[in-house]
Amino acid sequence: GENVEQHPSTLSVQEGDSAVIKCTYSDSASNYFPWYKQELGKGPQLIIDIRSNVGEKKDQRIAVTLNKTAKHFSLHITETQPEDSAVYFCAASTNSGGSNYKLTFGKGTLLTVNP
Amino acid sequence: DADVTQTPRNRITKTGKRIMLECSQTKGHDRMYWYRQDPGLGLRLIYYSFDVKDINKGEISDGYSVSRQAQAKFSLSLESAIPNQTALYFCATSAHDQMRETQYFGPGTRLLVL
Repeated sequence: GENVEQHPSTLSVQEGDSAVIKCTYSDSASNYFPWYKQELGKGPQLIIDIRSNVGEKKDQRIAVTLNKTAKHFSLHITETQPEDSAVYFCAASTNSGGSNYKLTFGKGTLLTVNP
Repeated sequence: DADVTQTPRNRITKTGKRIMLECSQTKGHDRMYWYRQDPGLGLRLIYYSFDVKDINKGEISDGYSVSRQAQAKFSLSLESAIPNQTALYFCATSAHDQMRETQYFGPGTRLLVL
């Protein structure tokens, strides 16, 4: 089955700096890669996703890049703010029966943005 | 997400007890999931269901069972709780969509098995 590795497990940055979280996956058939943010005491929430036919996607201060050849994808957060502090999970999924319902998650990265 | 609710939010039980965690959703989604979150291990899928007649095991289903009572309700049971089932449990829902498969998570149930 799919295996997703996520690094680093913890990341501390100063407010205004950039943060990068990296993930690798093992199944070359994976074609959908979402990122979830989990704030303290809450469930994870999708913040951005990318499909394998796209190399990069951006949404305001958040961007995701995908390298299919190397089987890795990354989350980039620019101009970090204290409210970006959370646990971030990457995930990978293959298309099964016409949808990407089965997500394999990385172990998570605890991001702390220091004011 | 307030559209996905879980009860109870916190539960303490003893080894050997049977307990049930409940999940309800008002999003109208057909797909529902139960995950377990452990520190340093991320989210792992326990069971998932595509409709009331469709139940599937995830990667860590041993020791758990589920019931899909209606499209909006999906319950997780621990038949005989053991301490290593102490974890944070999340219910999630999604709609069948070929463009994306966003999963919407409930707030979680924190379970402690003594």
